[in-house]
Amino acid sequence: QKEVEQNSGPLSVPEGAIASLNCTYSDRGSQSFFWYRQYSGKSPELIMSIYSNGDKEDGRFTAQLNKASQYVSLLIRDSQPSDSATYLCAVNMWDQAGTALIFGKGTTLSVSS
Amino acid sequence: ETGVTQSPTHLIKTRGQQVTLRCSSQSGHNTVSWYQQALGQGPQFIFQYYREEENGRGNFPPRFSGLQFPNYSSELNVNALELDDSALYLCASGPQGSGNTIYFGEGSWLTVV
Repeated sequence: QKEVEQNSGPLSVPEGAIASLNCTYSDRGSQSFFWYRQYSGKSPELIMSIYSNGDKEDGRFTAQLNKASQYVSLLIRDSQPSDSATYLCAVNMWDQAGTALIFGKGTTLSVSS
Repeated sequence: ETGVTQSPTHLIKTRGQQVTLRCSSQSGHNTVSWYQQALGQGPQFIFQYYREEENGRGNFPPRFSGLQFPNYSSELNVNALELDDSALYLCASGPQGSGNTIYFGEGSWLTVV
């Protein structure tokens, strides 16, 4: 059974710092990797997707993928109090395209001003 | 704005009752999936529908069933409600050709008493 593991946190960083969120996955054949942000009481919001080894940058967010180590991370630069949320890591459940993802339990990030 | 809308937003049901949750996704999003998110957990995949047929299911019993309609709307039905069914139910869909990229609706909060 495929699994996605995340440290539940909370991860606390001061405003302006870099927040580093980590995720490991069990299936070496996984191909698609996603980071979602979820504010308390709201639904998950897609912030990053990554498919190839290396880094992918989008504004203050950088996703990093290392398939050999089965590890994906999310860096948030210049963290803001508005970044305080739960961050969910997800990977594709099956090889074919579709809407089935496996999620970790999420890491709670707290950014203090 | 993800283009995925769900109703109702909140509802309370009694153990043993049945519930129907509804979702409407964008034109072109021909695959839709449903997830259950219990408090403090990541979303768990229930099933997905493609062209009005179920074509993938997670680890959920048959009392969880669904329908997809030609107008990109779908339903999640849960029979014989149990207290543990209390959760946020999320509908998700993605653009055709986007691989496993999915966007969530705002969710339906179900409380079973």
